[in-house]
Amino acid sequence: GQNIDQPTEMTATEGAIVQINCTYQTSGFNGLFWYQQHAGEAPTFLSYNVLDGLEEKGRFSSFLSRSKGYSYLLLKELQMKDSASYLCAAMDSNYQLIWGAGTKLIIKP
Amino acid sequence: IAGITQAPTSQILAAGRRMTLRCTQDMRHNAMYWYRQDLGLGLRLIHYSNTAGTTGKGEVPDGYSVSRANTDDFPLTLASAVPSQTSVYFCASRGQGDNSPLHFGNGTRLTVT
Repeated sequence: GQNIDQPTEMTATEGAIVQINCTYQTSGFNGLFWYQQHAGEAPTFLSYNVLDGLEEKGRFSSFLSRSKGYSYLLLKELQMKDSASYLCAAMDSNYQLIWGAGTKLIIKP
Repeated sequence: IAGITQAPTSQILAAGRRMTLRCTQDMRHNAMYWYRQDLGLGLRLIHYSNTAGTTGKGEVPDGYSVSRANTDDFPLTLASAVPSQTSVYFCASRGQGDNSPLHFGNGTRLTVT
């Protein structure tokens, strides 16, 4: 079956760095997406990886290892506004997205 | 401003009633989707449409129907609502290309009593 695993909740300190992991099992693979979702709001796109390696975009970076079925989202210089849920989604061979349940990130001052 | 508009924002509905959730996009995206989001369960696909005139079933289609008469509109209908359909519903669209992300509407919070 198809499955995405990510931690339910993480806590980090303002100004620090946090890494949110995601493992996936899909029928075929056409890329991995990360989304940010603030409470009561819609998910918004953060990153897309289809090749192995690290993609950097400002304070946020995303890494992919296709051979390990593994990705992580790295957030640097954490700010209070980064408190949100982070959703990992893998695209299968039919170009359908398989979603993880999300990781709730709590930032403490 | 380009994007996706969902209506209503929230609704309380008696069980057994019929309800249509509206979704309109102005980005001329071919693909559109309806998801429900429940606590601890991630987004689950209800129905999708790859282009106007076609629709498909997602992971949890039972109790829901959709239509895609044109590119812009993708309404979701609950023929006879049940309490298990209490959820937050998101409509989304996607442009061409493998790396095109989903664009989400602001969601409809539905409570079936």
